[in-house]
Amino acid sequence: NAGVTQTPKFQVLKTGQSMTLQCAQDMNHNSMYWYRQDPGMGLRLIYYSASEGTTDKGEVPNGYNVSRLNKREFSLRLESAAPSQTSVYFCASSGGTGWPQHFGDGTRLSIL
Amino acid sequence: GQQVMQIPQYQHVQEGEDFTTYCNSSTTLSNIQWYKQRPGGHPVFLIQLVKSGEVKKQKRLTFQFGEAKKNSSLHITATQTTDVGTYFCAGQNFGNEKLTFGTGTRLTIIP
Repeated sequence: NAGVTQTPKFQVLKTGQSMTLQCAQDMNHNSMYWYRQDPGMGLRLIYYSASEGTTDKGEVPNGYNVSRLNKREFSLRLESAAPSQTSVYFCASSGGTGWPQHFGDGTRLSIL
Repeated sequence: GQQVMQIPQYQHVQEGEDFTTYCNSSTTLSNIQWYKQRPGGHPVFLIQLVKSGEVKKQKRLTFQFGEAKKNSSLHITATQTTDVGTYFCAGQNFGNEKLTFGTGTRLTIIP
């Protein structure tokens, strides 16, 4: 069982470039989440999806878009990358409200 | 919006000493979860507390949820080098899908 799989693990972009971070889970979870983690700031929610076909903004959605492609996959897109988006990005999934979240290994993204 | 504060931000202890991290929410929570993140790793779920005043133990780890369901603590007895990492609390409001994570307490152990 792979759990939550994120690709890529590392990425370096130039300012203004676009890219999509991929996330897939094999636990048949309804809910999926994207977080960013910056030093000293914990985990901040970017977007989440409570079920297939629905997405909602989290705490820091500006500059990002998401797609819940199906129950397994939830992607995060940066349309025009900015240095302020340099961070570690984590995808997570859970069975729903009140259930624990399972995290992927993260994507370390640097924007120059 | 909901805020979850966690103190201290850093804690350095001698191996064998105890460690405690505290978590405070600006709102009453339906439940609180605790996660551990090893250096370079991803957060891993430890436990969930749901009831007012609840206390749960996992070996040397003791988790408490306050009577008002607005604060929580994690206490580690006799720390070991395997306890190194950052401990996060995460609060959830009633009927809300989202977790709000605290800023974490980074524990380092001096052998």
